[in-house]
Amino acid sequence: AQSVSQHNHHVILSEAASLELGCNYSYGGTVNLFWYVQYPGQHLQLLLKYFSGDPLVKGIKGFEAEFIKSKFSFNLRKPSVQWSDTAEYFCAVITTYGGSQGNLIFGKGTKLSVKP
Amino acid sequence: DTGVSQDPRHKITKRGQNVTFRCDPISEHNRLYWYRQTLGQGPEFLTYFQNEAQLEKSRLLSDRFSAERPKGSFSTLEIQRTEQGDSAMYLCASSPLRAGIFRNEQFFGPGTRLTVL
Repeated sequence: AQSVSQHNHHVILSEAASLELGCNYSYGGTVNLFWYVQYPGQHLQLLLKYFSGDPLVKGIKGFEAEFIKSKFSFNLRKPSVQWSDTAEYFCAVITTYGGSQGNLIFGKGTKLSVKP
Repeated sequence: DTGVSQDPRHKITKRGQNVTFRCDPISEHNRLYWYRQTLGQGPEFLTYFQNEAQLEKSRLLSDRFSAERPKGSFSTLEIQRTEQGDSAMYLCASSPLRAGIFRNEQFFGPGTRLTVL
Protein backbone atom coordinates (compact mmCIF):
# COMPACT_ATOMS: atom_id res chain seq x y z
CA ALA A 1 0.00 0.00 0.00
CA GLN A 2 1.11 3.54 -0.59
CA SER A 3 2.56 5.26 2.44
CA VAL A 4 4.26 8.46 3.45
CA SER A 5 7.05 8.56 6.03
CA GLN A 6 8.10 11.60 7.99
CA HIS A 7 11.37 10.95 9.74
CA ASN A 8 11.11 13.29 12.69
CA HIS A 9 8.31 13.28 15.20
CA HIS A 10 9.36 16.42 17.04
CA VAL A 11 11.96 19.00 16.04
CA ILE A 12 13.08 21.78 18.37
CA LEU A 13 14.98 24.73 16.93
CA SER A 14 16.02 28.18 18.00
CA GLU A 15 14.92 31.19 16.00
CA ALA A 16 17.03 31.84 12.89
CA ALA A 17 18.09 28.21 12.66
CA SER A 18 17.65 26.42 9.35
CA LEU A 19 14.96 23.80 8.97
CA GLU A 20 14.72 20.62 6.96
CA LEU A 21 11.90 18.15 7.48
CA GLY A 22 12.15 14.83 5.73
CA CYS A 23 9.38 13.14 3.75
CA ASN A 24 9.54 9.92 1.76
CA TYR A 25 6.75 8.15 -0.07
CA SER A 26 6.48 4.55 -1.14
CA TYR A 27 4.74 4.73 -4.50
CA GLY A 28 6.82 4.52 -7.67
CA GLY A 29 4.32 5.89 -10.15
CA THR A 30 2.99 9.36 -10.70
CA VAL A 31 2.51 11.29 -7.50
CA ASN A 32 1.48 14.80 -6.65
CA LEU A 33 3.00 16.09 -3.45
CA PHE A 34 1.87 18.49 -0.77
CA TRP A 35 2.98 19.95 2.52
CA TYR A 36 0.23 21.06 4.89
CA VAL A 37 0.72 23.01 8.12
CA GLN A 38 -1.43 23.13 11.22
CA TYR A 39 -0.76 26.06 13.55
CA PRO A 40 -1.88 25.67 17.17
CA GLY A 41 -5.65 25.87 17.37
CA GLN A 42 -6.09 26.21 13.63
CA HIS A 43 -7.02 23.87 10.83
CA LEU A 44 -4.83 22.35 8.16
CA GLN A 45 -3.58 24.80 5.54
CA LEU A 46 -1.68 24.18 2.33
CA LEU A 47 1.95 25.28 2.51
CA LEU A 48 3.06 24.23 -0.95
CA LYS A 49 2.49 21.66 -3.67
CA TYR A 50 4.35 19.93 -6.48
CA PHE A 51 2.74 18.55 -9.60
CA SER A 52 5.38 18.71 -12.31
CA GLY A 53 8.18 20.86 -13.71
CA ASP A 54 10.86 22.50 -11.57
CA PRO A 55 11.45 20.10 -8.68
CA LEU A 56 12.18 23.01 -6.33
CA VAL A 57 8.88 24.57 -5.32
CA LYS A 58 8.32 27.65 -3.22
CA GLY A 59 5.43 28.06 -0.87
CA ILE A 60 4.10 30.59 1.55
CA LYS A 61 6.06 32.15 4.42
CA GLY A 62 9.48 31.42 2.93
CA PHE A 63 9.12 27.64 2.81
CA GLU A 64 10.36 25.57 -0.08
CA ALA A 65 10.51 21.88 -0.91
CA GLU A 66 12.56 19.79 -3.27
CA PHE A 67 11.21 16.77 -5.11
CA ILE A 68 13.90 14.14 -5.72
CA LYS A 69 12.28 11.39 -7.75
CA SER A 70 15.19 8.95 -7.43
CA LYS A 71 14.97 9.15 -3.66
CA PHE A 72 11.16 9.22 -3.47
CA SER A 73 11.57 12.29 -1.31
CA PHE A 74 9.94 15.70 -0.90
CA ASN A 75 11.78 17.45 1.91
CA LEU A 76 10.61 20.77 3.32
CA ARG A 77 13.13 23.53 4.02
CA LYS A 78 13.32 27.02 5.41
CA PRO A 79 16.59 28.92 5.75
CA SER A 80 15.68 30.77 8.94
CA VAL A 81 12.75 29.80 11.16
CA GLN A 82 10.71 32.15 13.31
CA TRP A 83 8.82 31.55 16.52
CA SER A 84 5.60 31.85 14.49
CA ASP A 85 6.58 28.74 12.52
CA THR A 86 5.79 26.62 15.57
CA ALA A 87 3.24 24.18 14.19
CA GLU A 88 2.71 20.62 13.02
CA TYR A 89 3.75 19.88 9.45
CA PHE A 90 2.25 17.12 7.34
CA CYS A 91 3.58 15.72 4.10
CA ALA A 92 0.93 14.22 1.80
CA VAL A 93 0.66 12.64 -1.63
CA ILE A 94 -2.05 11.96 -4.16
CA THR A 95 -1.35 8.99 -6.36
CA THR A 96 -2.96 7.94 -9.59
CA TYR A 97 -2.76 4.31 -8.50
CA GLY A 98 -5.53 1.77 -8.14
CA GLY A 99 -8.60 3.86 -8.78
CA SER A 100 -7.56 6.67 -6.49
CA GLN A 101 -10.14 9.43 -6.37
CA GLY A 102 -7.63 12.05 -5.41
CA ASN A 103 -7.65 11.45 -1.69
CA LEU A 104 -4.59 12.61 0.20
CA ILE A 105 -2.30 10.08 1.88
CA PHE A 106 -0.67 11.76 4.86
CA GLY A 107 2.44 11.14 6.88
CA LYS A 108 2.23 11.11 10.66
CA GLY A 109 3.36 14.69 10.93
CA THR A 110 6.33 16.50 12.44
CA LYS A 111 5.83 18.86 15.32
CA LEU A 112 8.12 21.88 15.10
CA SER A 113 8.82 23.94 18.18
CA VAL A 114 10.80 27.15 17.69
CA LYS A 115 12.34 28.69 20.79
CA PRO A 116 12.41 32.51 20.82
CA ASP B 1 -16.07 33.36 6.62
CA THR B 2 -16.26 31.38 3.38
CA GLY B 3 -14.12 28.43 4.44
CA VAL B 4 -15.16 24.87 5.21
CA SER B 5 -17.22 24.68 8.39
CA GLN B 6 -17.97 21.71 10.59
CA ASP B 7 -20.48 21.20 13.34
CA PRO B 8 -20.22 20.42 16.18
CA ARG B 9 -16.61 21.20 17.00
CA HIS B 10 -16.65 18.81 19.94
CA LYS B 11 -18.84 15.83 20.77
CA ILE B 12 -18.73 13.65 23.85
CA THR B 13 -20.89 10.57 23.81
CA LYS B 14 -21.29 7.28 25.58
CA ARG B 15 -20.36 4.00 23.99
CA GLY B 16 -23.24 2.60 21.98
CA GLN B 17 -24.82 5.94 21.12
CA ASN B 18 -25.22 7.28 17.58
CA VAL B 19 -23.61 10.55 16.53
CA THR B 20 -23.90 12.71 13.42
CA PHE B 21 -21.50 15.35 12.17
CA ARG B 22 -22.10 17.98 9.55
CA CYS B 23 -19.75 19.56 7.03
CA ASP B 24 -20.46 22.62 4.91
CA PRO B 25 -17.91 22.88 2.10
CA ILE B 26 -16.80 26.01 0.34
CA SER B 27 -19.58 27.18 -1.92
CA GLU B 28 -19.43 25.63 -5.40
CA HIS B 29 -16.81 23.08 -4.43
CA ASN B 30 -18.00 19.88 -6.04
CA ARG B 31 -15.66 17.51 -4.24
CA LEU B 32 -15.95 16.68 -0.57
CA TYR B 33 -13.70 14.38 1.47
CA TRP B 34 -13.94 12.99 4.99
CA TYR B 35 -10.80 12.07 6.94
CA ARG B 36 -10.17 10.80 10.44
CA GLN B 37 -7.18 11.79 12.56
CA THR B 38 -6.15 10.04 15.75
CA LEU B 39 -3.50 11.18 18.20
CA GLY B 40 0.00 11.06 16.77
CA GLN B 41 -1.20 10.20 13.27
CA GLY B 42 -1.85 12.11 10.10
CA PRO B 43 -5.36 12.29 8.68
CA GLU B 44 -6.63 9.06 7.09
CA PHE B 45 -9.08 9.02 4.22
CA LEU B 46 -12.62 7.79 4.91
CA THR B 47 -14.81 8.67 1.95
CA TYR B 48 -15.25 10.98 -1.04
CA PHE B 49 -18.19 12.66 -2.78
CA GLN B 50 -18.38 14.29 -6.14
CA ASN B 51 -21.53 16.36 -6.00
CA GLU B 52 -24.10 14.03 -4.38
CA ALA B 53 -22.43 10.79 -5.48
CA GLN B 54 -20.30 8.88 -3.00
CA LEU B 55 -17.54 7.59 -5.24
CA GLU B 56 -15.12 5.95 -2.87
CA LYS B 57 -15.09 4.49 0.62
CA SER B 58 -12.02 3.46 2.58
CA ARG B 59 -11.75 0.11 4.32
CA LEU B 60 -11.65 2.20 7.51
CA LEU B 61 -15.31 3.00 6.96
CA SER B 62 -17.02 0.11 8.72
CA ASP B 63 -20.71 -0.72 8.39
CA ARG B 64 -21.40 1.48 11.42
CA PHE B 65 -20.35 4.54 9.44
CA SER B 66 -22.51 6.19 6.82
CA ALA B 67 -22.06 9.41 4.93
CA GLU B 68 -24.42 11.38 2.77
CA ARG B 69 -24.41 14.49 0.65
CA PRO B 70 -28.04 14.72 -0.36
CA LYS B 71 -28.08 17.79 -2.56
CA GLY B 72 -24.43 18.02 -3.39
CA SER B 73 -23.89 20.76 -0.85
CA PHE B 74 -23.42 19.91 2.84
CA SER B 75 -22.51 16.42 3.99
CA THR B 76 -23.24 14.38 7.10
CA LEU B 77 -21.21 11.59 8.65
CA GLU B 78 -23.08 9.29 11.04
CA ILE B 79 -21.53 6.74 13.35
CA GLN B 80 -23.89 4.18 14.83
CA ARG B 81 -23.24 2.27 18.05
CA THR B 82 -20.09 4.22 18.80
CA GLU B 83 -17.07 2.45 20.24
CA GLN B 84 -14.16 3.89 22.20
CA GLY B 85 -11.95 3.28 19.17
CA ASP B 86 -14.02 5.81 17.24
CA SER B 87 -12.59 8.62 19.36
CA ALA B 88 -10.77 10.86 16.92
CA MET B 89 -10.85 14.15 15.06
CA TYR B 90 -13.10 13.93 12.00
CA LEU B 91 -12.00 16.29 9.24
CA CYS B 92 -13.86 17.45 6.18
CA ALA B 93 -12.19 18.91 3.10
CA SER B 94 -13.52 20.28 -0.16
CA SER B 95 -12.02 21.11 -3.52
CA PRO B 96 -13.25 22.56 -6.79
CA LEU B 97 -13.97 20.41 -9.81
CA ARG B 98 -11.99 22.64 -12.15
CA ALA B 99 -8.69 21.16 -10.99
CA GLY B 100 -7.76 17.70 -12.20
CA ILE B 101 -8.73 15.07 -9.70
CA PHE B 102 -5.14 14.22 -8.87
CA ARG B 103 -4.06 17.82 -8.61
CA ASN B 104 -6.81 19.19 -6.46
CA GLU B 105 -5.92 21.38 -3.52
CA GLN B 106 -8.14 20.41 -0.64
CA PHE B 107 -9.35 23.00 1.85
CA PHE B 108 -9.87 21.64 5.32
CA GLY B 109 -12.39 22.51 7.98
CA PRO B 110 -11.60 22.79 11.70
CA GLY B 111 -12.75 19.25 12.42
CA THR B 112 -15.11 17.64 14.92
CA ARG B 113 -13.40 16.07 17.91
CA LEU B 114 -15.30 12.98 19.06
CA THR B 115 -14.75 11.45 22.49
CA VAL B 116 -16.47 8.17 23.22
CA LEU B 117 -16.66 7.33 26.92
